[in-house]
Amino acid sequence: DAKTTQPNSMESNEEEPVHLPCNHSTISGTDYIHWYRQLPSQGPEYVIHGLTSNVNNRMASLAIAEDRKSSTLILHRATLRDAAVYYCILRALSGNTPLVFGKGTRLSVIA
Amino acid sequence: NAGVTQTPKFQVLKTGQSMTLQCAQDMNHEYMSWYRQDPGMGLRLIHYSVGAGITDQGEVPNGYNVSRSTTEDFPLRLLSAAPSQTSVYFCASSYSGGGRNEQFFGPGTRLTVL
Repeated sequence: DAKTTQPNSMESNEEEPVHLPCNHSTISGTDYIHWYRQLPSQGPEYVIHGLTSNVNNRMASLAIAEDRKSSTLILHRATLRDAAVYYCILRALSGNTPLVFGKGTRLSVIA
Repeated sequence: NAGVTQTPKFQVLKTGQSMTLQCAQDMNHEYMSWYRQDPGMGLRLIHYSVGAGITDQGEVPNGYNVSRSTTEDFPLRLLSAAPSQTSVYFCASSYSGGGRNEQFFGPGTRLTVL
């Protein structure tokens, strides 16, 4: 799987939008962009994934650059419960490639 | 629908003991995997399985054994526990190994080896 680059940490105020960036300049045409998060003392939790088009679900939005070399996870209104480590991971469309976790971005939310 | 379940939640072992960490899923997922997470670190893949009877090694397989006799269960065996295996272990599953499918994680087993 191609590598991703994320900032080590970010901070946000409660109830404000958060934009978490991810660079993946070596992404291949069939790699999906996955986002997971891990709350303190819990297992990772799926957030969202996409291939080319922007995606929305109840948790977040995923904005994918036109050249697909970067993406942004958007939390529309951060809450204290959103404080977690967020992982951006590429996963090939076909085959049985496992999820490979990097260091992720630690998001702190300030009340 | 219980999702991915793991037992036990906590375990303390002495060096040299063996044990099995249990993982089960009720979503009829073909793909299952085991990760370990050391304090302050990211997750590292130990073993994974793409279906009953098929397993493969991940990044850190030494000291661990797996088998997959049913779709539902994917136990992880520690053959002779060592202090370096003190970690939190997470099991995960997905419909398949392809990028279209999200992966579901269990709550983890915290293992301490003395």
